[in-house]
Amino acid sequence: NAGVTQTPKFQVLKTGQSMTLQCAQDMNHEYMSWYRQDPGMGLRLIHYSVGAGITDQGEVPNGYNVSRSTTEDFPLRLLSAAPSQTSVYFCASSQTTGGASGYTFGSGTRLTVV
Amino acid sequence: GNSVTQMEGPVTLSEEAFLTINCTYTATGYPSLFWYVQYPGEGLQLLLKATKADDKGSNKGFEATYRKETTSFHLEKGSVQVSDSAVYFCALSLNTGGFKTIFGAGTRLFVKA
Repeated sequence: NAGVTQTPKFQVLKTGQSMTLQCAQDMNHEYMSWYRQDPGMGLRLIHYSVGAGITDQGEVPNGYNVSRSTTEDFPLRLLSAAPSQTSVYFCASSQTTGGASGYTFGSGTRLTVV
Repeated sequence: GNSVTQMEGPVTLSEEAFLTINCTYTATGYPSLFWYVQYPGEGLQLLLKATKADDKGSNKGFEATYRKETTSFHLEKGSVQVSDSAVYFCALSLNTGGFKTIFGAGTRLFVKA
């Protein structure tokens, strides 16, 4: 029972490079989201999706794109990496919208932008 | 606005000590409340939840009671173990034109043998 799988676990990028963080879940959850975790700031919502083909912005969407072509996959794209995007990124899914019944989280991607 | 405030850490305890981590919230409406735990190098895991006033959530010896009158959801455990060392996040979920979850900043717990 895999739950939420994120890849890669670690990544170093140069400023201006682009990359995609992968997220897949096998629980048939309609709701998926991306958070970033920074010291002392808790988790901040980047983008979310309520189902295939539907995405929306969260609290800190600038510099990131998402798409949701299937129920299972919800990739996060960094368009032109900046040092301010150095963070730990978590993908999460939920049976109910907005995590109202609780989230299942992936193990995270630690991204460093130099 | 809607927010969650947790006590600052780190909290350092000896094994078998009593644990309290304070959490208070501000919310318009009636949120669901959660505690998540994050072990080193891992993602957050749902520890317990409560969906209405006076509900008590419990799991693995941890408990928290939804107190509407004091807008609090404090996490307690009667006897901590070294394996409880982790970061604990309080969170709320409510409908603000669509359900959203808001997390506190997290409280790091160290338990010494």
